[in-house]
Amino acid sequence: DVKVTQSSRYLVKRTGEKVFLECVQDMDHENMFWYRQDPGLGLRLIYFSYDVKMKEKGDIPEGYSVSREKKERFSLILESASTNQTSMYLCASSLDRGVGQPQHFGDGTRLSIL
Amino acid sequence: SQQGEEDPQALSIQEGENATMNCSYKTSINNLQWYRQNSGRGLVHLILIRSNEREKHSGRLRVTLDTSKKSSSLLITASRAADTASYFCATDVPEGGSEKLVFGKGTKLTVNP
Repeated sequence: DVKVTQSSRYLVKRTGEKVFLECVQDMDHENMFWYRQDPGLGLRLIYFSYDVKMKEKGDIPEGYSVSREKKERFSLILESASTNQTSMYLCASSLDRGVGQPQHFGDGTRLSIL
Repeated sequence: SQQGEEDPQALSIQEGENATMNCSYKTSINNLQWYRQNSGRGLVHLILIRSNEREKHSGRLRVTLDTSKKSSSLLITASRAADTASYFCATDVPEGGSEKLVFGKGTKLTVNP
């Protein structure tokens, strides 16, 4: 089974801090994704990557950046955390660019910005 | 941008009953997927149905797709308390040579013992 591991289940940070969320997958998947999930808004795509050192903006990239230096690891960076970035963050991976690939999710990081 | 919309937003049933959730979407798709999310956990892929398929089964799950109405339904038969979770539909959106998914807001299912 694919395992997607997010480094923290819960994280509390302060406004203005630089925050790193880490995600690792163990199945040699090409595609990786970062979402945020908020009540009433569902899942929204922040960034995704389909190869090492490649990144594509999702629907809500403002205030975020990403890094993919190795195939198995995809990091989400909050450059200067703000309270409106308090949310549940979900990382996912999928095999390749083929049509109809299911996504495999980590258990999420619940981030609170104070 | 929201593509899929689930209906109802919340559903409460008794154990043993069937649960039906619906998803409507706006643009043409190649495939539609259903996911499940237990409280406080990540999403788990349940089933994928392609645009040229009308119905698909997996255990107690039955998914239908009507591309003319741009809608899909997920039926869980003989529900169990362990089926309590949120269920999301996701449609594919071709993007830059790859494929991303757009998720609906989900249906929260409660199965009472």
